[in-house]
Amino acid sequence: GAGVSQSPSNKVTEKGKDVELRCDPISGHTALYWYRQSLGQGLEFLIYFQGNSAPDKSGLPSDRFSAERTGGSVSTLTIQRTQQEDSAVYLCASSFDVGISNYGYTFGSGTRLTVV
Amino acid sequence: AQSVTQLDSQVPVFEEAPVELRCNYSSSVSVYLFWYVQYPNQGLQLLLKYLSGSTLVKGINGFEAEFNKSQTSFHLRKPSVHISDTAEYFCAVSDSGTYKYIFGTGTRLKVLA
Repeated sequence: GAGVSQSPSNKVTEKGKDVELRCDPISGHTALYWYRQSLGQGLEFLIYFQGNSAPDKSGLPSDRFSAERTGGSVSTLTIQRTQQEDSAVYLCASSFDVGISNYGYTFGSGTRLTVV
Repeated sequence: AQSVTQLDSQVPVFEEAPVELRCNYSSSVSVYLFWYVQYPNQGLQLLLKYLSGSTLVKGINGFEAEFNKSQTSFHLRKPSVHISDTAEYFCAVSDSGTYKYIFGTGTRLKVLA
């Protein structure tokens, strides 16, 4: 596609429910990244994919968080048993290759997650 | 570990006035530096980047930034702002050869009429 697409744009869920956030990167971009943006804080790295594998999951806050990528394209971030502190904007970004990611990511518009 | 500091959380400025948004990073042998802008309810858009070469970098929308290695700074400037520049601005750094960007906490620029 022309840009990085994320869905849903907004999600309100009850505490304890599971949620899935989707990211559709730019076609041909092999590297994909998930960041979390909490109110008043910067962007927090969660995970990055090179193709379908995730060499670095170090930013995932707990084992309630998981992510996968299939076909070297779409990625899903899953949060199980959501907690109120999970409320944030989840941003996805992609780039052609991790080796040239220094040229800048392309970000999606994000999913605003609210846990009530 | 690399870190980025944006000391100003909010910067109000009148339209057509100049503005400087400050960014400092922790020292490293070689870094790449970026400024991103985020308009309300949108994702982040790359404004400009420093990889190597000239320390004065020009970006989109009339913004520029200067890399200062001795002061480990990468301040963003615009000589004359418009109402449409109202947004949040993020500074980011990556150690050369790595994929992970470290972002600052952002500076909210509010341009007043």
